[in-house]
Amino acid sequence: DQQVKQNSPSLSVQEGRISILNCDYTNSMFDYFLWYKKYPAEGPTFLISISSIKDKNEDGRFTVFLNKSAKHLSLHIVPSQPGDSAVYFCGLANAGGTSYGKLTFGQGTILTVHP
Amino acid sequence: DSGVTQTPKHLITATGQRVTLRCSPRSGDLSVYWYQQSLDQGLQFLIHYYNGEERAKGNILERFSAQQFPDLHSELNLSSLELGDSALYFCASSVDSMRSPLHFGNGTRLTVT
Repeated sequence: DQQVKQNSPSLSVQEGRISILNCDYTNSMFDYFLWYKKYPAEGPTFLISISSIKDKNEDGRFTVFLNKSAKHLSLHIVPSQPGDSAVYFCGLANAGGTSYGKLTFGQGTILTVHP
Repeated sequence: DSGVTQTPKHLITATGQRVTLRCSPRSGDLSVYWYQQSLDQGLQFLIHYYNGEERAKGNILERFSAQQFPDLHSELNLSSLELGDSALYFCASSVDSMRSPLHFGNGTRLTVT
């Protein structure tokens, strides 16, 4: 049973446009949400996070939105750049657990930004 | 560079064998996590150590074990290896076990033949 789903395996965007990556979850106990990007032959790199008490968090070109009622998380990248081409993972942590590093990850979305 | 060092980068071994994967966390980080990434399962949490003590366990097989040493480096031991254990094994570290982002190493690719 997949608790976290990234329903789009891939996304293709033109340079300068907005990239929107989505993540849906089923467990309402998740209360800490993160986005990571991964280049080939490297480990995931932390991008941005949000806790359940917020619905939006911004860091430069990256904004994460959380809709708790819909159990939906999204990452907006504006403007998109060719260097953003990578695999993007959402990772979620469970409230009340002993470890906020025990993340449940989605399967990832491959983002390709065309010049 | 995340500051997390994993060795070796690649490991090829036969079924039934035992291997040890090593991880050095970022300077100052007390928590070390191990994750497995396989083609069909994605990134799966294995185990978390905080300052030498086991803090949380995921779906880690009994054939697998880990420890964190006083200098905070960690080792993941995989024994009686099976073909299905072939995967990328990532180590990550964080300052504590609360809402701190994990910083991942570049992984060890294990191939069991």
